[in-house]
Amino acid sequence: ETGVTQSPTHLIKTRGQQVTLRCSSQSGHNTVSWYQQALGQGPQFIFQYYREEENGRGNFPPRFSGLQFPNYSSELNVNALELDDSALYLCASSCYFSGRAGCEQYFGPGTRLTVT
Amino acid sequence: GQQLNQSPQSMFIQEGEDVSMNCTSSSIFNTWLWYKQDPGEGPVLLIALYKAGELTSNGRLTAQFGITRKDSFLNISASIPSDVGIYFCAGQLGAGNMLTFGGGTRLMVKP
Repeated sequence: ETGVTQSPTHLIKTRGQQVTLRCSSQSGHNTVSWYQQALGQGPQFIFQYYREEENGRGNFPPRFSGLQFPNYSSELNVNALELDDSALYLCASSCYFSGRAGCEQYFGPGTRLTVT
Repeated sequence: GQQLNQSPQSMFIQEGEDVSMNCTSSSIFNTWLWYKQDPGEGPVLLIALYKAGELTSNGRLTAQFGITRKDSFLNISASIPSDVGIYFCAGQLGAGNMLTFGGGTRLMVKP
């Protein structure tokens, strides 16, 4: 079991609403990456936060935004929710300069978001 | 979005059998990782590979980083029922970069 925690575990929202998901990183890690996993697919990279700034972004619109805090925890915010946003949202913590054991991306249990 | 080509998509095997799965990409990666995901949970890291040609084991699991840096293989020996789950490969271009995932291999084991 990793030290990465996410909240809430499940969430149901209505189309057009806004949602905030939270992630606490593993001790010793300073980077948080967020992924969206649709049913039956592999995770897709949303963005990464390092030193409280966005450091790389996947093919997701601006209504997906995030924050990183001084304790390295992070939030993912999604505005104007659409039905296709229904997915498992995963966060992963890592060391920025990875490539050595213990610094790879370790995932939390995810937040299951359902948009109706 | 881009995904790696992972095969097979699913496997249904007898307990005790060996399993092989692979992952290919049209572009090179400098790190390859293999994860296992159980229903309702996040992916769990199994093996990380950092050098082309590297062969690494973790118990009954063995993974290799392809020489061309465009592929990787995962083998599971003497499968047991708790090996059931979805296995994902992921490529990473460099330190601090995003992971690009394969579509997953669903493994089912018959006791």
